[in-house]
Amino acid sequence: QSALTQPASVSGSPGQSITISCTGTSSDVGSYNLVSWYQQHPGKAPKLMIYEDTKRPSGVSDRFSGSKSGNTASLTISGLQAEDEADYYCCSYAGSTYFNIIFGGGTKLTVL
Amino acid sequence: QVQLVESGGGVVQPGRSLRLSCAASGLTFSDYSIHWVRQAPGKGLEWVAVIWYDGSKKYYAESVKGRFTISRDNSKNTLFLQMNSLRAEDTAVYYCATGGSLYYFDSWGQGTLVTVSS
Repeated sequence: QSALTQPASVSGSPGQSITISCTGTSSDVGSYNLVSWYQQHPGKAPKLMIYEDTKRPSGVSDRFSGSKSGNTASLTISGLQAEDEADYYCCSYAGSTYFNIIFGGGTKLTVL
Repeated sequence: QVQLVESGGGVVQPGRSLRLSCAASGLTFSDYSIHWVRQAPGKGLEWVAVIWYDGSKKYYAESVKGRFTISRDNSKNTLFLQMNSLRAEDTAVYYCATGGSLYYFDSWGQGTLVTVSS
């Protein structure tokens, strides 16, 4: 199974909204409601931001939202803040006969 | 509050073995399936392996199948990763991670660095 496809980088100014896409196939993103998103600051462990396509864990700002259409999932961050600058990874279950999880290559978000 | 603490990383020669541990606290360890996820320097995340809450099932990424073995000791709240026949491309920070379901990770350790080099 190939990695999910994300843009290498996105940028936005404080207060703006940005969207990061995550494209998979009908065997992973398109087959299951099991896309999750992670934020990772340099030198830190990843942090769960969205799970099961659209759900937000308690404690995560409602500025973060997830959506999906067909084989493409998206993470939208509204009201950009300086602390949102980080790497973001999407992730999907990709198993059928054998358990498998795949990640996207990651997107570097720069807050201008 | 869930805490996961990895240990056992270090520098190892190609072809040699290493065993990682992940000590868990703040959760009923035996209720949770748990994963290893790795990240090569400057690269993205890669899922490595998962073990069911009771140890009954284990699954591996193709890149490590046949070389790595995941196991757990529920009496000691500890997860293990036995890594054999190590290659340069196994160089990475290894995280243990778990969550509310098999399919996402809401608790992560701080990671342990494995460097495979001669």
